[in-house]
Amino acid sequence: KAGVTQTPRYLIKTRGQQVTLSCSPISGHRSVSWYQQTPGQGLQFLFEYFSETQRNKGNFPGRFSGRQFSNSRSEMNVSTLELGDSALYLCASRRASGGTQETQYFGPGTRLLVL
Amino acid sequence: KQEVTQIPAALSVPEGENLVLNCSFTDSAIYNLQWFRQDPGKGLTSLLLIQSSQREQTSGRLNASLDKSSGRSTLYIAASQPGDSATYLCAGIPYNTDKLIFGTGTRLQVFP
Repeated sequence: KAGVTQTPRYLIKTRGQQVTLSCSPISGHRSVSWYQQTPGQGLQFLFEYFSETQRNKGNFPGRFSGRQFSNSRSEMNVSTLELGDSALYLCASRRASGGTQETQYFGPGTRLLVL
Repeated sequence: KQEVTQIPAALSVPEGENLVLNCSFTDSAIYNLQWFRQDPGKGLTSLLLIQSSQREQTSGRLNASLDKSSGRSTLYIAASQPGDSATYLCAGIPYNTDKLIFGTGTRLQVFP
């Protein structure tokens, strides 16, 4: 069974640009969550999607947005990139949503560098 | 504010030692607790998920306990090996969400 896949794995952008990251969950998983990992702030929750609906959102500015498609694949978009957006972006999937006592499985991440 | 802290921040031990990693959380809304390991530059690998109704979980040489009343969880690693070298993260999971609130991590190095 294939794991969570994320594309691209590495990305270099310049300030002011926008970027779209993609996440394909494990087959049969309908919940996808996104996290940002930086040396200073650690791992922080961005948002969670289930059945194409955003269920939770973390404390990030509106430049960070996401969506989920009918096949459960998810994308996140960051507009007007800032140097501080340089991070490892991780997505996680699980079969169902909230309170179902299930493990979340993480992808390898997309490393974004903003110059 | 929901906070999860881990002690120690870093640990370096010789192979074969038994280890205890600590995780504490301040919010009683934390329902479940999950432990992960992260290898350098990689994603997270789930180790153990402890549900609110449980007190501990075991997998191989790993044992994790959860005490909600004191807001603490511990990860016990028996007979440590160099392959255990990684960063270990605990994450609290509030009730009825998929949101993980991560701790600061413990960087473990096991040397031969």
